[in-house]
Amino acid sequence: VQLLESGGGLVQPGGSLRLSCAASGFTFSSYGMRWVRQAPGMGLEWVSGISAGGGSTDYADSVKGRFTISRDNSKNTLYLQMNSLRAEDTAVYFCAKDDGLSGHAFDIWGQGTTVTVSS
Amino acid sequence: SYELTQPPSVSVSPGQTASITCSGNNLGDKYACWYQQKPGQSPVLVIYQDTKRPSGIPERFSGSNSGNTATLTISGTQAMDEADYYCQAWDTSTVVFGGGTKLTVL
Repeated sequence: VQLLESGGGLVQPGGSLRLSCAASGFTFSSYGMRWVRQAPGMGLEWVSGISAGGGSTDYADSVKGRFTISRDNSKNTLYLQMNSLRAEDTAVYFCAKDDGLSGHAFDIWGQGTTVTVSS
Repeated sequence: SYELTQPPSVSVSPGQTASITCSGNNLGDKYACWYQQKPGQSPVLVIYQDTKRPSGIPERFSGSNSGNTATLTISGTQAMDEADYYCQAWDTSTVVFGGGTKLTVL
């Protein structure tokens, strides 16, 4: 069971970036998926979530209107399109698998990909 | 918006019991879970649905949740348990994390 993020990097303020998260070892299409970020030296912050089928999405207020979560169940891949990036979006971005139970714990995490927003 | 509050730091001697609290309005009416994160690593789920341990998590980790407070208890704390711990709850389709607690084993 594995999640592997990619797509991070250095981007200027106002720029865009698309993160990917490749899943393996479980039935990807059966589980909700989430993005969580961690700014340098800070705690965990939930960013966005998407239902198993992709029909329902949610966003933290801090990214609403700028970020879009999506998934391709045929490719076992989760995405996060990030537009209008700001310095405060600088963080390690983790994708995580919802355990599918009441309480929605995240039982599998990726290794993270680093996004740096700076001129 | 819903908030979860954790103490910034907790210290414990090796072999003793560590308790980390997580406070939120009527948190006992929701499910709480806990993550352990060591420096440079991804978080690891150690407790879910208030009291359950995922496979591979040592029995010394236990949880409770009642009223406004969820508690992570580590019995017989070992040096390897030194880490940051985060509580998390689900509130009306959004996920809320506590601010994290740094557990020091000294």
